[in-house]
Amino acid sequence: AQSVTQLDSHVSVSEGTPVLLRCNYSSSYSPSLFWYVQHPNKGLQLLLKYTSAATLVKGINGFEAEFKKSETSFHLTKPSAHMSDAAEYFCVVSDPGGKLIFGQGTELSVKP
Amino acid sequence: GAGVSQSPSNKVTEKGKDVELRCDPISGHTALYWYRQSLGQGLEFLIYFQGNSAPDKSGLPSDRFSAERTGGSVSTLTIQRTQQEDSAVYLCASSLAWSGPMGTGELFFGEGSRLTVL
Repeated sequence: AQSVTQLDSHVSVSEGTPVLLRCNYSSSYSPSLFWYVQHPNKGLQLLLKYTSAATLVKGINGFEAEFKKSETSFHLTKPSAHMSDAAEYFCVVSDPGGKLIFGQGTELSVKP
Repeated sequence: GAGVSQSPSNKVTEKGKDVELRCDPISGHTALYWYRQSLGQGLEFLIYFQGNSAPDKSGLPSDRFSAERTGGSVSTLTIQRTQQEDSAVYLCASSLAWSGPMGTGELFFGEGSRLTVL
């Protein structure tokens, strides 16, 4: 069965410093992986997706993630945090039939 | 509208009552998902419809929960004999047909239906 583990429930960074949100996955085959973001009182939005084309995936708002098969990881990074990045971030893995399994989420706080 | 529409946006009910939550997906999207998000929790998968295939009901927490999708479009999630632990935000999402790893995979989410069971 497919699963994802988000290693941090909460991450706090200062504005202008790098962001790292960690995600490890478990899958019996080559997975599709996604990161979604949920801003307060807003709906969920796709940040980026990995579908085996390239291991480094660039998304919206300057975020990117690198697929590392040897480490079964798909960490989300951004070089410089902005106040507007404060939100809940979800790592997601798909199963062969298209069902998407969400991680528990990481809340990102950005301090001025 | 252009997005996924859910109704009601808020529902307060008494324990033991039945509730129905409705989802209108984006036109042309053949895949429809229901998730549940409890306070401070991640998204819990409930059920997934893909075209004319049998739905994946593996996430439904009990037989009090059921869902249907009529005409390949609108979906209704029904919770019978509601319990306080059913209180959560119920999210619906739709996407284009899943075609394996190269499929779009992007889910478009509605705003959710917040259910409170007293």
